[in-house]
Amino acid sequence: NAGVTQTPKFRILKIGQSMTLQCTQDMNHNYMYWYRQDPGMGLKLIYYSVGAGITDKGEVPNGYNVSRSTTEDFPLRLELAAPSQTSVYFCASTTSGGNEQYFGPGTRLTVT
Amino acid sequence: GIQVEQSPPDLILQEGANSTLRCNFSDSVNNLQWFHQNPWGQLINLFYIPSGTKQNGRLSATTVATERYSLLYISSSQTTDSGVYFCAAAPWESARQLTFGSGTQLTVLP
Repeated sequence: NAGVTQTPKFRILKIGQSMTLQCTQDMNHNYMYWYRQDPGMGLKLIYYSVGAGITDKGEVPNGYNVSRSTTEDFPLRLELAAPSQTSVYFCASTTSGGNEQYFGPGTRLTVT
Repeated sequence: GIQVEQSPPDLILQEGANSTLRCNFSDSVNNLQWFHQNPWGQLINLFYIPSGTKQNGRLSATTVATERYSLLYISSSQTTDSGVYFCAAAPWESARQLTFGSGTQLTVLP
C-alpha cells in the first residue's frame, strides 16, 4: 500500500489565484482530514469527511472548500489565495473503527 | 474547544539520555495520540492512548485521564529521535476531531 499520498509537494501561488491540493489513500479508510501547520505550531483541522459525500468544517475552514466523491480521494480547494494561507498542508486518514491517524507527506504552499 | 498544552517546548539531550515529555489537556478525552514529526516533516503516529500505559521499544506512554495529562517517555535516546513530538486530543463528543498541542522540539546530540 502507498498509504496517504499528496500532490503537489511544493507550490507557489500569487494572491488571488486558485488551486486544488490532491489527497488519495489506498487503505479503504472512511475518515479523511485536512490540516494546516504554520511555522513552529501544531496542526489545525480545516475540514474532515466521514465518508463519500459527507464533509464537515473543522477549526479553520475559511478560505477553503472540499469534496469527497470517492472513498479514496479528498481534494482541498483554495479559491482566492491569500498570504495567510501560506502553510504546510497535511492530509490524514483513519478507519471508521480505528483511531490512529495516518498522514501524507504534506504540501508546502507559499502565497506571494 | 479542548485545550492541549505541551512541555517543555524545547529539549536538548545527549545521545543515550532519557527524557519525559508532558501533555496536559483541558477536558475529558476519548482520543489521545502522540506523533513524531521528523526533520523532513513526515508525521508518524506513535501511540493511541486515551488511558493507561503502552510501550513500543524505547518509547512508552502513559495517560492519566482522571488527572488530564499524558506522558511520553523516551529511553536511551538516539539522534534519529530528533524532531518534534506532538500530542493531540479529542473530547468524547467529537472523538476524531483532534486538537494538537504546539509540540516539543527534541534535539539529540551525538
